[in-house]
Amino acid sequence: GAVVSQHPSRVICKSGTSVKIECRSLDFQATTMFWYRQFPKQSLMLMATSNEGSKATYEQGVEKDKFLINHASLTLSTLTVTSAHPEDSSFYICSASRARELGNEQFFGPGTRLTVL
Amino acid sequence: GNSVTQMEGPVTLSEEAFLTINCTYTATGYPSLFWYVQYPGEGLQLLLKATKADDKGSNKGFEATYRKETTSFHLEKGSVQVSDSAVYFCAQSPAGRRALTFGSGTRLQVQP
Repeated sequence: GAVVSQHPSRVICKSGTSVKIECRSLDFQATTMFWYRQFPKQSLMLMATSNEGSKATYEQGVEKDKFLINHASLTLSTLTVTSAHPEDSSFYICSASRARELGNEQFFGPGTRLTVL
Repeated sequence: GNSVTQMEGPVTLSEEAFLTINCTYTATGYPSLFWYVQYPGEGLQLLLKATKADDKGSNKGFEATYRKETTSFHLEKGSVQVSDSAVYFCAQSPAGRRALTFGSGTRLQVQP
């Protein structure tokens, strides 16, 4: 149990286009989902925390109009990179916490590699 | 602010060697501490955790002890296997929060 999927796993797009990444909890309900960004050989950086049915909470320095997050159900959160530019190229990873579970455990998706040309 | 520092890799060991990956943290209060492992092509998986000082987390032969006095959570394993080759991330989350702050990751390569 506790499987998280992401789609697509890899996407290449032209500069100026928008890209949507989906994060799904396949076998559990996730009240909270997190979006991270990872640069090559660097740590995961938290971008935002998404709670089902409410607005996402963005970390300092993350543009909420640039990175739109929607958490419409207990099993799906989406991250849309709007008007993508080459500097947005990165590895985006989501994670999910079970509803009402103690211990802070997060279950991670396999990540989505975005390349903006 | 909260941060996590872990040793740079790659760490290359022979099978059955002893492993230590150092991790230190800065935090206000008493965070929970974690080690995550990322195998090639897969998402991060929780390896072990500790939620209070002097707790020892353990799993699959790996251990780490929450040391408040040295603000450390070093990962150890007595005898590594080729299948342990992966990237290991140390992380913390502040008390009452679920968000994680990660270290930069340490790649472990175990040779037969």
